[in-house]
This record gives sequence, structure tokens and C-alpha cells, in this order.
Amino acid sequence: NAGVMQNPRHLVRRRGQEARLRCSPMKGHSHVYWYRQLPEEGLKFMVYLQKENIIDESGMPKERFSAEFPKEGPSILRIQQVVRGDSAAYFCASSPSGGGTEAFFGQGTRLTVV
Amino acid sequence: AQSVSQHNHHVILSEAASLELGCNYSYGGTVNLFWYVQYPGQHLQLLLKYFSGDPLVKGIKGFEAEFIKSKFSFNLRKPSVQWSDTAEYFCAVNAPSGGGADGLTFGKGTHLIIQP
Repeated sequence: NAGVMQNPRHLVRRRGQEARLRCSPMKGHSHVYWYRQLPEEGLKFMVYLQKENIIDESGMPKERFSAEFPKEGPSILRIQQVVRGDSAAYFCASSPSGGGTEAFFGQGTRLTVV
Repeated sequence: AQSVSQHNHHVILSEAASLELGCNYSYGGTVNLFWYVQYPGQHLQLLLKYFSGDPLVKGIKGFEAEFIKSKFSFNLRKPSVQWSDTAEYFCAVNAPSGGGADGLTFGKGTHLIIQP
């Protein structure tokens, strides 16, 4: 049973470009969470999705960031017009249900904006 | 909204020493509590969790944590650490119902270094 798969592991973008981060949850998991980890900081919750629905995006910046979890395929975190401050590690987690059940994390995507 | 405070950002111990990492949270309702570990270059792994019941929780690799509701604390302990315990440790909390985001609120982490 493969774990949570994130790709790419490392992504370098120039300022103003778009970054697309992908997350395939564990088999049987329909709940996906995205977190961002800035240097010297803990993980910060960004968004919680179920298939085709955004449940909670209270941690997502209002501009340039969007997330989706389509019926088929991985969850995508999209950052438009990236800036240097977007440089961080982005982690995805999945769980079989909500309500605070255990979430399993992927290895993260390290985004560097140059 | 919940918040989590980890008291020590960096801890250095010798092998066989005892370990206690502090974690306090702020939230007035029912919470689920977690400790995650991140070994160098790897993803976060769950060490242990508390949902309800016995407040002394045993996890993997000899770790345990005690939930003290009156102190809003969930400290992580291990009686004798090993060099392989060198890692980043994160305390996390979420409110299972009605209290906020279903996602986890993390502390800033404690970087533990075990010297051989």
C-alpha cells in the first residue's frame, strides 16, 4: 500500500511563474490536507479537501493560491505568480475520514523561488 | 482557534539520557493530540496520538506521552534515547468537532540531537 505521494520533490520557479504541486493520497483515502512549512517554523494548515469539494480553506492566502481535488487524479495546489516568500516546503496529508482521524503525510515538495 | 507551544526549539542529549519534550496547547474544548517525528530527509511520521481514554499514551520506538487536561499539556517522553532518535519532533492538535478546522495545528517543532 503506497503512502501519500507528492511530486515533484523539488521545484524551482522564477518570480512570476506558476507552481503546481501534486498529491496522490493513500489508497482508500478521500480526505486531503495541505500544509506549508516555512524555515524555522512549524507546519501551517492551508486547506482541507474532499473529492471535488473544498471543506476548509481558512489557512490559504486569499490571492494567488488555489487547490483542487478532482474526482479523478491527484490533488493539486496551484500558486500563481510566485514570489520569493512562497519558498517553503509544502506537505500533503491524507486520511480515510475527517473528524480528526489520523492523517498520513507525504514527503513534501520543496519550492524554491529565484 | 487552537495554538500549540513547544518549549524547546533545540535539545541536545547524550545517548541513554532521558527525554522530555514539552507541549502546551490552547483550546477550551475537546481536542485530539498528536506527536509527529520527521527524520532527516523523510516525511512526518506519527509517533503517538491521544483521542480519549487513558491519558498515558504509548507510541512507537519507546515513546510515550501524558495528557494532563488541567495543564493543557501533552509532553513527550522517552526513558533512554538513542542516536537514531535525532530528528525534528512536532506536537499537533485538532478539534474533532465544532471547534475549528479539521486540519492539524502544529507547534514550531523541537530539533533533537543525540550525541553518541
